[in-house]
Amino acid sequence: DAGITQSPRHKVTETGTPVTLRCHQTENHRYMYWYRQDPGHGLRLIHYSYGVKDTDKGEVSDGYSVSRSKTEDFLLTLESATSSQTSVYFCAILDTSSYNEQFFGPGTRLTVL
Amino acid sequence: GNSVTQMEGPVTLSEEAFLTINCTYTATGYPSLFWYVQYPGEGLQLLLKATKADDKGSNKGFEATYRKETTSFHLEKGSVQVSDSAVYFCALIPDGSSNTGKLIFGQGTTLQVKP
Repeated sequence: DAGITQSPRHKVTETGTPVTLRCHQTENHRYMYWYRQDPGHGLRLIHYSYGVKDTDKGEVSDGYSVSRSKTEDFLLTLESATSSQTSVYFCAILDTSSYNEQFFGPGTRLTVL
Repeated sequence: GNSVTQMEGPVTLSEEAFLTINCTYTATGYPSLFWYVQYPGEGLQLLLKATKADDKGSNKGFEATYRKETTSFHLEKGSVQVSDSAVYFCALIPDGSSNTGKLIFGQGTTLQVKP
């Protein structure tokens, strides 16, 4: 357990509304990641962060933004949610003391109607 | 580009059967290879890993060998249990990207073990 929590765990929203998902870690890891999980696609990287205020895009970043104003929190925002963003979202951290093993949070199930 | 391909699932086995889940990859150089497992309703957990050619990763009775010549990292277990029922993901970190940890996943294989 790497002390990763995600909130909310479940959310239902409507198309066009903004949504923010939060990832919180307690162990001061530098790298944090947001993935989405969809059937037939495995997990795909949305954005990642390599430090406070340092972020970069992943494979499927369109329609998403992120922010990291402090080490422990990494926020994922859907500015205007669409039905194609219905998915399960996982946050992860990189433990550089364990040969770069990634530890994952419990996930957030988001449904966009 | 880099990619990971896993065998189609679901895979249904009886308890104590032998398990193989195939995984092949496309990448230049020597990527690091991983197997993650996801139990129902949970996040992913690292099952095993191999960081160089011919390395064998092992954990909880599962094994996988990094085969550079066939670009494969097949997962095996000699005798599965009902508790092994889960989704298994093969993944890689491209050569030279280990400091960023950006994983590339296969699509996942669902394993169901029946008593």
